[in-house]
Amino acid sequence: QKEVEQNSGPLSVPEGAIASLNCTYSDRGSQSFFWYRQYSGKSPELIMSIYSNGDKEDGRFTAQLNKASQYVSLLIRDSQPSDSATYLCAVNGGSDYKLSFGAGTTVTVRA
Amino acid sequence: KAGVTQTPRYLIKTRGQQVTLSCSPISGHRSVSWYQQTPGQGLQFLFEYFSETQRNKGNFPGRFSGRQFSNSRSEMNVSTLELGDSALYLCASSYSGPRSGYTFGSGTRLTVV
Repeated sequence: QKEVEQNSGPLSVPEGAIASLNCTYSDRGSQSFFWYRQYSGKSPELIMSIYSNGDKEDGRFTAQLNKASQYVSLLIRDSQPSDSATYLCAVNGGSDYKLSFGAGTTVTVRA
Repeated sequence: KAGVTQTPRYLIKTRGQQVTLSCSPISGHRSVSWYQQTPGQGLQFLFEYFSETQRNKGNFPGRFSGRQFSNSRSEMNVSTLELGDSALYLCASSYSGPRSGYTFGSGTRLTVV
């Protein structure tokens, strides 16, 4: 079983719609959770971090964490063509000094 | 504020050679991590350093090594290069470690021929 799994893509959404990305993790002791955005040919960029159960909103992005279900999600509201990228879920176990990344979900926002 | 700086941006090496990649973290950041990114395996953890100490190492052969200097700059070395080492090598830094979230550099694209 992979440490971090993301819903397979690619995900195509119309401009203005909500894009929903899902991520599950295997280490129940994980404490920190991140979403990175990676444009083609660029390096990953941190867009959201979440540490406790519930929702965290930042602009058009909302991260949701459910530790009991070992599940993290990212919602992108009012999707824009500039949101077209690969979104990477990353998890830190706390005492292992590393981030474990999912394979990524590629999102395409069509105008 | 300067970001994470990686040099060189591109490298072409021959099988059997060795290579050294460099990373300068954001000023004040003491944790530096290295990742290998390939289309097939995604982002794979190589190692993490904090105040010149390696705190964790990923599942890579001993040909992959790294170090961190007192100014937090880091280098990674790959000896006896293999074709499969062709990848994007990413350095990331944070103030205290992965829990605080990482900022990535632009990466070094290594091609082994």
